Amino acid sequence: SYDLTQPPSVSVSPGQTARITCFGDALPKQLAHWYQQKPGQAPVMVIYKDRQRPSGIPERFSGSSSGTTVTLTIRGVQAEDEAVYYCQSGDTSVGSYLVFGGGTRLTVL
Amino acid sequence: EVQLVQSGAEVKKPGESLKISCKGSGYKFSTYWIGWVRQMPGKGLEWMGIIYPGDSDTRYSPSFQGQVTISADESLSTAYLQWSSLKASDTAMYYCARQGYSAYHFDYWGQGTLLTVSS
Repeated sequence: SYDLTQPPSVSVSPGQTARITCFGDALPKQLAHWYQQKPGQAPVMVIYKDRQRPSGIPERFSGSSSGTTVTLTIRGVQAEDEAVYYCQSGDTSVGSYLVFGGGTRLTVL
Repeated sequence: EVQLVQSGAEVKKPGESLKISCKGSGYKFSTYWIGWVRQMPGKGLEWMGIIYPGDSDTRYSPSFQGQVTISADESLSTAYLQWSSLKASDTAMYYCARQGYSAYHFDYWGQGTLLTVSS
């Protein structure tokens, strides 16, 4: 099976930079995407295709990729960024799989 | 505006059957894959499967193959997720989501349908 591994939690102070990593053996060949989920809400896509930012997502959110690791970076973290962040990858044209990472809880101190 | 609107919360007993829905609007429903995602209480997101409403091509996660059925009615712009015999372990929030072009990401999500299975 194909897994994506994220740290369970990351904590930062307001105004600092948060970096959330996602590791997967297939990431050098597959694109990754990131979702933000706040309590009681549906997930929202914040980064797609490793580094593309959808319209309406603040510029402080960015993505990068290096080998087997992709990283979501949030610069100038705000209290409203406190949420669980999930990476996702996969390709249903090759077998049948899409997969989510286990999620990282971002705490703004 | 793209919207996915899901059917309301359900409370069912073990062994009962159920079909929940996800209605798309604001785009051409038949030309985008729709996926279903499970979130058990206090847990992460799990991909269940995906369907292309234009021809009903369906792919399942190995973890959910044979456990659920995904279908779609192009004329109603609606996708469905169904169970023939519910278990208590099916208790979860279920989301539908539209898959964007070319890279298997989910660009729009429904609000979720909460399913509670209890005797």
